[in-house]
Amino acid sequence: NAGVTQTPKFQVLKTGQSMTLQCAQDMNHEYMSWYRQDPGMGLRLIHYSVGAGITDQGEVPNGYNVSRSTTEDFPLRLLSAAPSQTSVYFCASSPNGPGLSYEQYFGPGTRLTVT
Amino acid sequence: GENVEQHPSTLSVQEGDSAVIKCTYSDSASNYFPWYKQELGKGPQLIIDIRSNVGEKKDQRIAVTLNKTAKHFSLHITETQPEDSAVYFCAASKNDYKLSFGAGTTVTVRA
Repeated sequence: NAGVTQTPKFQVLKTGQSMTLQCAQDMNHEYMSWYRQDPGMGLRLIHYSVGAGITDQGEVPNGYNVSRSTTEDFPLRLLSAAPSQTSVYFCASSPNGPGLSYEQYFGPGTRLTVT
Repeated sequence: GENVEQHPSTLSVQEGDSAVIKCTYSDSASNYFPWYKQELGKGPQLIIDIRSNVGEKKDQRIAVTLNKTAKHFSLHITETQPEDSAVYFCAASKNDYKLSFGAGTTVTVRA
């Protein structure tokens, strides 16, 4: 199992550009989520999904869109990049459910810089 | 929403000594409290978790305690080793998958 994979590892964008951060997991987990990590602020939840076709907003959703067409993939779209979106982005997945582990498995992260 | 505060932000300990990290949470409905360890350049990894119906949980050199009345929980690492150097995050949740994280503690174990 590859676990949770994220691409790209690094990305530089200009203000106003759009892009998609890719996330995939091969563990058949129902739950997936996106976090951003900023110095001194821990990890903040952007969007999450409890299964294919179901997504919901987290703590800091503005400027980001998600979709979940398959169990495996959960891409994060930046519609019009802003310098405030400079951050490290982590995708996570979890089996989550009665009788299952609630552990979240994190990908290696994408470091995004918006100039 | 849930607010999780974590202290200290940095912690330096001598190898072999103990390390303690404390977190408080605001939502009394929270019932799941995991701790994650993040090594440099990697994603966080779960090291231990506790539910609100348990006061203490131990796994080898790490332990977590929970005080529901005071709404705080702590991570204890005994006999620290160089490989314990990392950033540690506490988190709280009332539905298991929507985690609210603390700001993190950078632990340095001095040889």
